[in-house]
Amino acid sequence: SYVMTQAPSMSVAPGQTATLTCGGIDIDSKSVHWYQQKAGAAPILVIFNDDERPAGIPDRFSGSNSWNAASLTISRVEPGDEADYYCQVWDTATGHRVFGGGTKLTV
Amino acid sequence: KLVETGGGVVQPGRSLRLSCTASEFTMSDSPMNWVRQAPGKGLEWLTYISKTGDNIYYAESIRGRFAVSRDNSKNTLFLDMSSLALQDTAIYYCARERAGASFDSWGPGTLVTVSS
Repeated sequence: SYVMTQAPSMSVAPGQTATLTCGGIDIDSKSVHWYQQKAGAAPILVIFNDDERPAGIPDRFSGSNSWNAASLTISRVEPGDEADYYCQVWDTATGHRVFGGGTKLTV
Repeated sequence: KLVETGGGVVQPGRSLRLSCTASEFTMSDSPMNWVRQAPGKGLEWLTYISKTGDNIYYAESIRGRFAVSRDNSKNTLFLDMSSLALQDTAIYYCARERAGASFDSWGPGTLVTVSS
């Protein structure tokens, strides 16, 4: 099954920009989705189809996808952005949906 | 919008059925998935079922032990789990699938603990 790699952790100061990456072979040929999961809560979708934001998600969250890595960028990071972030794709070869291992963002 | 039920403590080797009920939307409009999260671990996709239930996929970790189904007349999704093992201990989430196979709505999850 398709494998995606995320850094286990990242630390950023409030007000700075955090860029989280998700690596995978030919990932730019896939639609990448990103989820935010705060402690004790269910995940929520923050970016879908590489760079689209669901209603209600601040425009501080943006996404991109090129070559062998997709990225989630959080601008003007706030303490409330502290969470685990997961990337996810649909592996069309198997029909499986696949998650990356997640990145714990500390603010 | 989605609520999972049926979790609890179960002995190894036993079975359990989870349910996921939708409100405020018609479940038959969307494919659905089950995802789990073991304590302190990441998200693990388990299974996908199409709108009508005629297309199903399973992760290798549960193939042959778990079965997904849906009753659109009751707006409900099911996960039948058998031969449960200690490593199946996790929070189980149901999730609605939308654009590009993204999961735009999740339930709060139900905890399954496999323990003797």
